[in-house]
Amino acid sequence: GAGVSQSPRYKVAKRGQDVALRCDPISGHVSLFWYQQALGQGPEFLTYFQNEAQLDKSGLPSDRFFAERPEGSVSTLKIQRTQQEDSAVYLCASSLAPAGVGEQYFGPGTRLTVT
Amino acid sequence: DAKTTQPTSMDCAEGRAANLPCNHSTISGNEYVYWYRQIHSQGPQYIIHGLKNNETNEMASLIITEDRKSSTLILPHATLRDTAVYYCIVRSATDSWGKLQFGAGTQVVVTP
Repeated sequence: GAGVSQSPRYKVAKRGQDVALRCDPISGHVSLFWYQQALGQGPEFLTYFQNEAQLDKSGLPSDRFFAERPEGSVSTLKIQRTQQEDSAVYLCASSLAPAGVGEQYFGPGTRLTVT
Repeated sequence: DAKTTQPTSMDCAEGRAANLPCNHSTISGNEYVYWYRQIHSQGPQYIIHGLKNNETNEMASLIITEDRKSSTLILPHATLRDTAVYYCIVRSATDSWGKLQFGAGTQVVVTP
């Protein structure tokens, strides 16, 4: 079956622009995670959804970052007034079960470059 | 902060076993050891996980020491396609919503 997909794969934004990054998880997966990966580093947790409920947003770096999953499937990560330090790969992962022991399936990521 | 320590890089000859060490001396009783890998320009891929017993699947084997303070991921016959960054992650089963805390990982290069 289809894996996790993300779009766009690449995004270039001018500083100050707003961007929206989309994640299509595996159908039926309850849990959805967003991670941010800076160049040369491991991914860092941003936020977690269980169905449509955002249960953990402790990793969001500022109030310019906003995520939603209104129907419990597709999720969007929005970054307002982008800054150069927002340049990174944004990864989405989904898993079948509510948070706990289980495999997370990752998408290919969206590479955001802020100029 | 990541709860694991891994070597920065390792080289391995194609066809040989690759043994990737990981230290997790502060692991607690309800925490699992997970391994993921990330091939260049792709998202991380799950490899294997374990609690205290050794585990094996079609990709790899995981050996956890009796005191659970360290583990080794074994790729039995490394191929060029195994070149990737390998992450050892300690993950709670009951809190933190199952989020993964990645460190810097080990860059493994498999050479012909």
